[in-house]
Amino acid sequence: AQSVTQPDIHITVSEGASLELRCNYSYGATPYLFWYVQSPGQGLQLLLKYFSGDTLVQGIKGFEAEFKRSQSSFNLRKPSVHWSDAAEYFCAVGYNTNAGKSTFGDGTTLTVKP
Amino acid sequence: DTGVSQDPRHKITKRGQNVTFRCDPISEHNRLYWYRQTLGQGPEFLTYFQNEAQLEKSRLLSDRFSAERPKGSFSTLEIQRTEQGDSAMYLCASSQGTIDTDTQYFGPGTRLTVL
Repeated sequence: AQSVTQPDIHITVSEGASLELRCNYSYGATPYLFWYVQSPGQGLQLLLKYFSGDTLVQGIKGFEAEFKRSQSSFNLRKPSVHWSDAAEYFCAVGYNTNAGKSTFGDGTTLTVKP
Repeated sequence: DTGVSQDPRHKITKRGQNVTFRCDPISEHNRLYWYRQTLGQGPEFLTYFQNEAQLEKSRLLSDRFSAERPKGSFSTLEIQRTEQGDSAMYLCASSQGTIDTDTQYFGPGTRLTVL
């Protein structure tokens, strides 16, 4: 069975500092990987996704993530955090079959200090 | 904006009552998913439809839960005889269902509180 681990429940960074959110997955085949952001009272918004090809993927809002098969990781990064980035971030892995359902991690809450 | 919409956004009910939620997917999407999210956790898969066919149901979906997608458009999720443990955010997502690029787009969710 596939699973996703986000080791950091809560991260606090200063505005303007760099950010890295960790995600490790367990899946027997080539994974489809996603990062979503969820602000209070809002639905999940897709930040970026990896299906194949270049292992460094660019997303919206200045985020990027790198797929490292050897480490089973898909960490999310941003070079300079803005106060509006404060939210909850979810990593998810999907089947690469004709099913499409995703398994989510339990999320990392990001707090941004002024 | 023609994203995924859900109705109602909030529902408060008493234990033992039945509730029904609606999800309207993005119009050209043929797949529709339901997830449940409890506080401090990520969304958990409940069920999904390919057009009008319900193709998979999670063990989380007890006999009190039923989902439909008549005509392959909107979907409803009904919970009968609600329990306090049913309190959660119920999320709907839709996707185009292509084999290689099945990206799900989520609605804002329906928050259910069972008193």
